[in-house]
Amino acid sequence: GQQVMQIPQYQHVQEGEDFTTYCNSSTTLSNIQWYKQRPGGHPVFLIQLVKSGEVKKQKRLTFQFGEAKKNSSLHITATQTTDVGTYFCAGPESGYSTLTFGKGTMLLVSP
Amino acid sequence: DVKVTQSSRYLVKRTGEKVFLECVQDMDHENMFWYRQDPGLGLRLIYFSYDVKMKEKGDIPEGYSVSREKKERFSLILESASTNQTSMYLCASSLWDASGKETQYFGPGTRLLVL
Repeated sequence: GQQVMQIPQYQHVQEGEDFTTYCNSSTTLSNIQWYKQRPGGHPVFLIQLVKSGEVKKQKRLTFQFGEAKKNSSLHITATQTTDVGTYFCAGPESGYSTLTFGKGTMLLVSP
Repeated sequence: DVKVTQSSRYLVKRTGEKVFLECVQDMDHENMFWYRQDPGLGLRLIYFSYDVKMKEKGDIPEGYSVSREKKERFSLILESASTNQTSMYLCASSLWDASGKETQYFGPGTRLLVL
């Protein structure tokens, strides 16, 4: 079945450094979604990308969807301590199919 | 705002007990899901439901069952709890848009400890 892989599994950065997490699917995705889970919290939807090659920005966060719609990335510029958490990507193979989640990337930011 | 609530934040049960985890959403969503989350393993789908009285097995259904008698409520049942079912359980709900895309909204989670 479909597999979604994320790397790295864990990253520890100093505040102000940049951070990137990568998501790769074994199959083409109809869309890619990103979720953030703060420590002790639950996953919260951040954004959805639909088009091949799409790039979206939310303040210091930049999301990309690959041309082949099998990979995606999340880049955070100048991390802050509020960015701490686990970032999950998720995507369905087609419309009306369930999301497959990656295992997540845990980000720790030291002040 | 979508609200997904779970009956307990923390639960301690004994091995062999029957355990009910309840999830309620208030946005008339068609789809509801149960996941468990364990360190290093991410979110694993246990069961999901696209409609009342409908259920589908996810990736790890063994040892679990579900019930969806009403649209807003999705229950996860551990018929005979075992220590390897100690985990964080997350419920989610979603709605398909016209093109078949969904966004999942998660509840706060239930941390279950089986002794």
